[in-house]
Amino acid sequence: DAKTTQPNSMESNEEEPVHLPCNHSTISGTDYIHWYRQLPSQGPEYVIHGLTSNVNNRMASLAIAEDRKSSTLILHRATLRDAAVYYCILSLNYGGSQGNLIFGKGTKLSVKP
Amino acid sequence: DTEVTQTPKHLVMGMTNKKSLKCEQHMGHRAMYWYKQKAKKPPELMFVYSYEKLSINESVPSRFSPECPNSSLLNLHLHALQPEDSALYLCASRGQGAVQPQHFGDGTRLSIL
Repeated sequence: DAKTTQPNSMESNEEEPVHLPCNHSTISGTDYIHWYRQLPSQGPEYVIHGLTSNVNNRMASLAIAEDRKSSTLILHRATLRDAAVYYCILSLNYGGSQGNLIFGKGTKLSVKP
Repeated sequence: DTEVTQTPKHLVMGMTNKKSLKCEQHMGHRAMYWYKQKAKKPPELMFVYSYEKLSINESVPSRFSPECPNSSLLNLHLHALQPEDSALYLCASRGQGAVQPQHFGDGTRLSIL
């Protein structure tokens, strides 16, 4: 399984943008980049995913480098509720393991009032 | 509120007990998953069911026995567990298509005495 590397922790101020980086230098052409987050005492929650182009949804934006070896999750205005562990995951789009998620260590995001 | 319901939320059992964890979803998803999550660690994939058939067993000890009796229900039968099996057990489901997001329940917190 292709691996991802994320900082262990990051801090942000409330109502400011947050950029969460992820390196995935061994990504293959068929791997999708997924982001999930896990709030305290809850199961993981889907945030966003992409293949090559930048993606936006109501929760966040995903910026993907042109060579696809890195990506950045962007929270446009952090709130206290965004404090969570954010996981960047590569997922196969074919074969017996398609759609399976192998979680890395993730980035613990703290948001200060 | 999560669309994947796990019961019970908490379970304490002795090493000689037999118990079961239950997971239910009514989104018509045909892929279902069990994960194990130790404190301050990422979720680890245990089992994958596709169309009610076990497709992946990530070398999980036989004291954990999964069952998928129908497309909405996933069970995890527990027998003769060890203290190191104490963890949060998460269930997830996914719609058709490898890039569809996984929907997670909030888990069952299991303690083995």
